[in-house]
Amino acid sequence: GAVVSQHPSRVICKSGTSVKIECRSLDFQATTMFWYRQFPKKSLMLMATSNEGSKATYEQGVEKDKFLINHASLTLSTLTVTSAHPEDSSFYICSARDRDRIHEQYFGPGTRLTVT
Amino acid sequence: GQQLNQSPQSMFIQEGEDVSMNCTSSSIFNTWLWYKQDPGEGPVLLIALYKAGELTSNGRLTAQFGITRKDSFLNISASIPSDVGIYFCAGPPLGNEKLTFGTGTRLTIIP
Repeated sequence: GAVVSQHPSRVICKSGTSVKIECRSLDFQATTMFWYRQFPKKSLMLMATSNEGSKATYEQGVEKDKFLINHASLTLSTLTVTSAHPEDSSFYICSARDRDRIHEQYFGPGTRLTVT
Repeated sequence: GQQLNQSPQSMFIQEGEDVSMNCTSSSIFNTWLWYKQDPGEGPVLLIALYKAGELTSNGRLTAQFGITRKDSFLNISASIPSDVGIYFCAGPPLGNEKLTFGTGTRLTIIP
């Protein structure tokens, strides 16, 4: 149980284009999902908290117009990187919190974004 | 903000050796989580701890929730090649739903 998927696993896009990343909880309902960014050899950095049916809460320094988050259902959250630039290249990871185990987060496999 | 310091930063061991790593916080946590991350993958939850003093095992892994609630320990017994990876401690600080992650311990097994 507690499986989270992400799609795509890798994406290469050109500067100025937008990229959408999907995060799904496959066998449980997640009222809350989280989006992280990870730089090489670094720990995970929380970008935003996504709550089903409401607006996402962004961490300080994260542009909400740049990183659009939609949590339309209890099993799906999407992150759209708008007008991507090379500095947006990174490893993006989502996690989902089982509403019955509120302190445990289960992570997706991550999405490697490369902006050329 | 919150900081979780993990020690050691990296470990180089031989197969079969036992491993110990720890995580310390400047403030109280009410839950401690230990994750393992393989290269290019998301972290996988290994052990969750909920009470001060709690000792929990998952196969060859054992983790403890420190009595002060400001630290946690992870031990791996009889290491095998698939134990290679980065281990992160994490937890939600008291009154917070978000996870704070440790700095990570990179485990390498020397052939």
